[in-house]
Amino acid sequence: RKEVEQDPGPFNVPEGATVAFNCTYSNSASQSFFWYRQDCRKEPKLLMSVYSSGNEDGRFTAQLNRASQYISLLIRDSKLSDSATYLCVVTNTGKLIFGQGTTLQVKP
Amino acid sequence: DTAVSQTPKYLVTQMGNDKSIKCEQNLGHDTMYWYKQDSKKFLKIMFSYNNKELIINETVPNRFSPKSPDKAHLNLHINSLELGDSAVYFCASSQGSGGYNEQFFGPGTRLTVL
Repeated sequence: RKEVEQDPGPFNVPEGATVAFNCTYSNSASQSFFWYRQDCRKEPKLLMSVYSSGNEDGRFTAQLNRASQYISLLIRDSKLSDSATYLCVVTNTGKLIFGQGTTLQVKP
Repeated sequence: DTAVSQTPKYLVTQMGNDKSIKCEQNLGHDTMYWYKQDSKKFLKIMFSYNNKELIINETVPNRFSPKSPDKAHLNLHINSLELGDSAVYFCASSQGSGGYNEQFFGPGTRLTVL
C-alpha cells in the first residue's frame, strides 16, 4: 500500500464548477500536510499547507481529518488556469512523501 | 533571479555513461534535496543535505553520489547509467530540515538513457 494515495483522475470540469480532491495517508505519525501544484512539465510548487482546523486561501479550502488519515482540497469557481496536477504531501521523519497527484482539467 | 536552478535541463545519453547534474539555490536556505519523478509521476526523495551534511539517504543505488560543496550547491553524479534511470530529477531547497517548511523546486532535469 502506498503511503499517500490519491485518485489520479483526470477530473474534467467546466469553468465555474466546484471540485474536490481527496487523499489518504497510511502513517498515523505523519506530522505536516500540504497540497502542491504541478503544471505539465514544470516543477511542483506549494499551493497551501493543511492544518487540523482547516484553512482557506481564496477559492481553495483544505481540510485534514487525523482520525481518518484523510486530507481534502476544495476548489470553488474553477478557472482555466487551475488546470494542473494537485499533489497531496505528508511529512514523515523529516521527509516529504508525495502522492501520485490528481489531474484537473478545467474546460471553457 | 531564479531561486533554484539546475543544469542541464535535458540530458540524453547512452547506457553505461557517467553524467552529472548541478543545482544551485540563491534563497539562503540551509537544506537541499534531490528527488526523482518517474514515468508514473511519483516524486520520491533520494537525498537531503543540511549545511553540507548528508541527512537523508534513501534506498538509492550507490551509482548515485550527491556532493554538496557549500550550502548553496548540491550536485548529483550518476555512474554507469541504466535505462531505469530515465526520469525527471528535481533539486529543491528549504529553510530547515524537518519537512515542516515549504520546499522550492528547480525546473527539473529530464534524463533519457538510451
